[in-house]
Amino acid sequence: QVQLVQSGAEVRKPGSSVTVSCKTPGDTVTSYAVSWVRQAPGQGLEWLGRILPTVGLTYYAQKFHDRVTITADASTNTVYLELRSLISDDTGMYYCASPSGWLQYWGQGTLVTVSS
Amino acid sequence: IVLTQSPGTLSMSPGERVTLSCRASQSVSGKYLAWYQQKPGQAPRLLIYNASSRATGIPDRFSGTGSGTDFTLTIRRLEPEDFAVYYCQQYGSSLWTFGQGTKVEF
Repeated sequence: QVQLVQSGAEVRKPGSSVTVSCKTPGDTVTSYAVSWVRQAPGQGLEWLGRILPTVGLTYYAQKFHDRVTITADASTNTVYLELRSLISDDTGMYYCASPSGWLQYWGQGTLVTVSS
Repeated sequence: IVLTQSPGTLSMSPGERVTLSCRASQSVSGKYLAWYQQKPGQAPRLLIYNASSRATGIPDRFSGTGSGTDFTLTIRRLEPEDFAVYYCQQYGSSLWTFGQGTKVEF
């Protein structure tokens, strides 16, 4: 069973930034691509973007392209999501998922709360 | 690509057959569409990929069909553990998207 392990819950003020991490096994499966998906309370799933860790290629949903950066550290098999200029609507659960295309493996989720 | 799922909510009983729809705003290339099940407090679970292939460990009462802009998830006979929210997702373009979900409730 492939495990993606995410960092813990975060609380941030509006206007600030947050970085969430996702540690992958680093094997062939997860090295292909890692996506980030978020879910606001009581709402549906929203794809934020993905990275191909081996080449550092990224794709971002148009809605987030100016506020989101996804990076990967090959030495630690960890993928990061940075979200900037936070607003209250960014409150929700953030998941990393893999591999490419269909998302077979999911992290446990990281709750990000944006509140003044 | 915008995915629209219908209906928003389905009220069903165990043993019934369920059909969920996912319609795309433009053709999904390569039948690159997946279905997920999500229960409260849990991460989504992959059910179907490439429109009709069942993921590992998924019971054969779940089946997917479709191509182009119209896709369907069918649950042949609802079990109590199938009451959940179901999402479709396309990965046929470089930017992926999810549908808004269909809740199957008792």
